[in-house]
Formats: sequence, C-alpha cells, structure tokens
Amino acid sequence: KQEVTQIPAALSVPEGENLVLNCSFTDSAIYNLQWFRQDPGKGLTSLLLIQSSQREQTSGRLNASLDKSSGRSTLYIAASQPGDSATYLCAVKSAFGSSNTGKLIFGQGTTLQVKP
Amino acid sequence: ETGVTQTPRHLVMGMTNKKSLKCEQHLGHNAMYWYKQSAKKPLELMFVYSLEERVENNSVPSRFSPECPNSSHLFLHLHTLQPEDSALYLCASRPSSQWDYGYTFGSGTRLTVV
Repeated sequence: KQEVTQIPAALSVPEGENLVLNCSFTDSAIYNLQWFRQDPGKGLTSLLLIQSSQREQTSGRLNASLDKSSGRSTLYIAASQPGDSATYLCAVKSAFGSSNTGKLIFGQGTTLQVKP
Repeated sequence: ETGVTQTPRHLVMGMTNKKSLKCEQHLGHNAMYWYKQSAKKPLELMFVYSLEERVENNSVPSRFSPECPNSSHLFLHLHTLQPEDSALYLCASRPSSQWDYGYTFGSGTRLTVV
C-alpha cells in the first residue's frame, strides 16, 4: 500500500530565505508526482508535475526533484515571500485495477509561514 | 480559476437533509474524481469516474451517492449525513487517456453537518 509522508508538518521562515520541503513515498512504482499549493479553506493549485522518468521540474522560484529509487521528492523554494505562505501537498500517482484512470495519493502537507 | 468549478462553496445541512454538490469542467477531461479533506488528515479518494462510468468506490458509505451524467459534470448527492462528514469536498479532473497528465482541482465545497 502506497503511503506518502511529508516533513516537516509546519515550517516558519523569515522572508528571503531559501527552503526545502520533503516528500517520501513507500512504493517506487509511481507514474508521476505532483506538488500542490493550498491556501486556507481553498482548493488545490497545481505547482509542478514530475513524470517518473524525470529528475526535476522548475517553475519560476520553484524547483521540484524526484528520486524514484529512493522514494523521495523535494520542493525547493528560492527567495521566499510572505505570499508563499500556504500548505504544500505532495501527491503520487499509482495505478489500480484495470482502469487507466490512476489514483492520486496525498501526503498530509507542510504548512509554510513566511514572515515579513 | 483552475477550470474546475464547484458549487456551492459553502454548505450547512442538518443530518436529515438531502443536498447535492456540483462539479463542472470544460477542459475536455473525461476522468473526474471526488476527494474528501478532513482536518488533520490527508486527502482521501472517494469516487472515480472515467468516461461517465464509475470505476472506483473507495469504501464510501452509501449516504454519499455520486452521479456523472456526462463527462463535464459530476455530482455528489448527500443524505442523512453525520457530523463527522463535515469536511472540504474537492473535485478533480484529468484526461483519462493520458497517463502522464496531471490533475486539476476545483476550489472545493466546505460542508458542515449540524
């Protein structure tokens, strides 16, 4: 059974700091891994999608890496800003049954606070 | 907006009420999902529809009844809910034929059962 763990559960940093969020998963047989951002009481916004054959993806100040063999992914945020304050969720896509729709399994998230 | 629209945004209902949550997307996706997000717990998959056919029911109680009348719309019908069903209900979609495509989520419906 696939399990996804995110560490730390919460993080508070001063503005301008570079930071790393960690995600680990127990079954390396994944199709892809997706990082999301969730603001309080809101839905999920997709940040980065990494295919199983890829090592990293970048978007602006965000860089996500994937090491499938060790079951780990990191989300690197450069020059953090107060607007980055949110919960960051990691999710892996695993196959199930005979359907090709896949199944997205989430970690519990890391809640980030960036202080001005 | 992500392209996946959920209504209502907030819903308060009594345990004897019947209500429905609606999800709509015009992204051309044909796989749609219901997820439940409770406090302090990871998102839990509830139902999966692919090409309007339910392909997954993740041990969800029968008081939750999904409906997918076409590939653009997904409903979650609610009846005789319990207070522990209070949560954020999220809808997502993706193209079912493309394994490497990511998921697009809506903003969710915040449900409170009183």
